[in-house]
This record gives sequence, structure tokens and C-alpha cells, in this order.
Amino acid sequence: IQLTQSPSFLSASVGDRVTITCRASQGISSYLAWYQQKPGKAPKLLIYAASTLQSGVPSRFSGSGSGTEFTLTISSLQPEDFATYYCQQVNSYPITFGQGTRLEIK
Amino acid sequence: QVQLVESGGGVVQPGGSLRLSCAASGFTFSSHGMHWVRQAPGKGLEWVAFIRFDGTNKYYADSVKGRFTISRDNSKNTLSLQMNSLRAEDTAVYYCAKDSQAVWGAFDIWGQGTMVTVSS
Repeated sequence: IQLTQSPSFLSASVGDRVTITCRASQGISSYLAWYQQKPGKAPKLLIYAASTLQSGVPSRFSGSGSGTEFTLTISSLQPEDFATYYCQQVNSYPITFGQGTRLEIK
Repeated sequence: QVQLVESGGGVVQPGGSLRLSCAASGFTFSSHGMHWVRQAPGKGLEWVAFIRFDGTNKYYADSVKGRFTISRDNSKNTLSLQMNSLRAEDTAVYYCAKDSQAVWGAFDIWGQGTMVTVSS
């Protein structure tokens, strides 16, 4: 199952609302997760089951979608949110990740 | 605290072998599926392999099938990845990760990663 994220690169300012899209090549129900990765660090789970916030993750992060189209929204960007974001499908093997969306400060 | 710590990375020549280990602590290791994920320099995440909590099922990415073997020792809380016939394109940071049914199979805990460089 291929996952295509858009955009691949996003430039935004602190306080902005941003949305990242992930499209699956076939239906994956709600078996989609979102991760944040900062340089030199391991990925961190933000959202699972397409829309459930992982414990400890700020509520400005939200996810939606099912089937083949999914979104990650950050309602008001904070300085610590500038990172790379990946979607992942865990519906079937091989597990796949999107190519990533790099979020940078404008 | 819940922790995964990888070891065993290094520099190896093409065609060589390397064995990675991942030490787990702070959770019931024998109850969870475990994965290896890699990231080539400057690139995205690539899932590599999975082993079921009891070791009975294993899955591999096509790119490593037949060359890599995932295993676990639940008595020692350790996950391993035996990598043979290494290629330049296997150069990457290798992460071990724990999945959980509580998060619908997503990877809720990751190690810090270990670097593998395949070069002559």
C-alpha cells in the first residue's frame, strides 16, 4: 500500500494553522498513524487510529479521515512543532510510511 | 521507564554481516510485537521487519527478504536483527520499535537508533 503525503515541504509561521494530507493507494480503514521526527531523533507517535491523540500529545494536533484520505492538522503552530511529519499505515504488511512532510519556519 | 536501546551498528564492507540488538525495559516485552525501521541519511522512514510477540510470525520488507533475519529472546527482553549480504543501500540508522494493540498497531515506543554504514 503506497502512502502519498502532500505537501512534501511546508513553510509556515508561529500561530498558523497547517494541514498535511496523506493518501493511501487502497483503503486502510482507520489504520493510520502520524509521527513527528526532529533531526537526529527517533520518530514520536502523535496520532493513531487516524484520529486518536496519543497520550501526552498537545491538543493542537488533530487527525481525521478514513479509507484512503487522511489529514493531520496543527491548529496553532508552536516553535517546537517545526519538524518532519510522517504518516504510516498499519492495516497490512508490508507496513509503509509516507515520504514525509518537512515543516519549516517562514 | 519504558525504554528500547539499540546496539551493534558500525561500518561493514559490502557483502558482510552485522547483528543488531535491541534491549527492552520498563514493559512486558513478551506481550508485544516488535519491529525494525530504518532511515537512510537524509531520507524517509522504511519499515524493515516485524516479529510477533511469541516469535511465531515474521514479516520482512522485500528489500531485505532473504538477507535479514529478525528474532527475539523473551527471556532476555532482547530483539535482534541479523543482517547478511549487506549492500551500500542498507546504510541507514536502524530503529527498533514496539507496537501495541492499544494504539491500533502503531509504534508507541522507539529506540534511539544505531547507525549501520556499508562501505568499502
